[in-house]
Amino acid sequence: KQEVTQIPAALSVPEGENLVLNCSFTDSAIYNLQWFRQDPGKGLTSLLLIQSSQREQTSGRLNASLDKSSGRSTLYIAASQPGDSATYLCAVHAGGTSYGKLTFGQGTILTVHP
Amino acid sequence: DGGITQSPKYLFRKEGQNVTLSCEQNLNHDAMYWYRQDPGQGLRLIYYSQIVNDFQKGDIAEGYSVSREKKESFPLTVTSAQKNPTAFYLCASSIGPPDEQYFGPGTRLTVT
Repeated sequence: KQEVTQIPAALSVPEGENLVLNCSFTDSAIYNLQWFRQDPGKGLTSLLLIQSSQREQTSGRLNASLDKSSGRSTLYIAASQPGDSATYLCAVHAGGTSYGKLTFGQGTILTVHP
Repeated sequence: DGGITQSPKYLFRKEGQNVTLSCEQNLNHDAMYWYRQDPGQGLRLIYYSQIVNDFQKGDIAEGYSVSREKKESFPLTVTSAQKNPTAFYLCASSIGPPDEQYFGPGTRLTVT
């Protein structure tokens, strides 16, 4: 059974810092990996999707990497801003008998203070 | 504007009553999903549908039912058999099963 773990559970940084959020998964047979952002009481906003054949994907100040063989992904946020404060969720699209199902990590709660 | 709408935003029901949560999308996506989010447990898949008139159980389908009569709509019914229905419910859609999923704003259901 696929399990997704995110470290750290919470992170508090001053504005302007570069930071890294970590995601690990137990079964490397994935189609792709998706990073989301969730603001309190809101739905999820898709940030980046990395295909299993890709090593990284970039969008603005965000860069996500994927090492499928070791079961790891990182989300790098450059020059953090207070508006980046949210919960960041990692999810993997499974293969095999669980084709297309998303398995989520518990999330990292990020606080960027001015 | 293309997107996913869920209604209502907040829903209150008495124990023992069935309740239906609405999810509509105008993205022309074939696949739709229902998740439940509880504090400390992350998101868990309830049901998903890859195409109209077809749906499959997710990891926690007991006490829930769905229908997919139209491509745009995937309503979720929380029945009285669901032991702990109070939660935040999220609907999502994608072009197909392994494609990028897009989420609606969610419905917070409180059952007392």
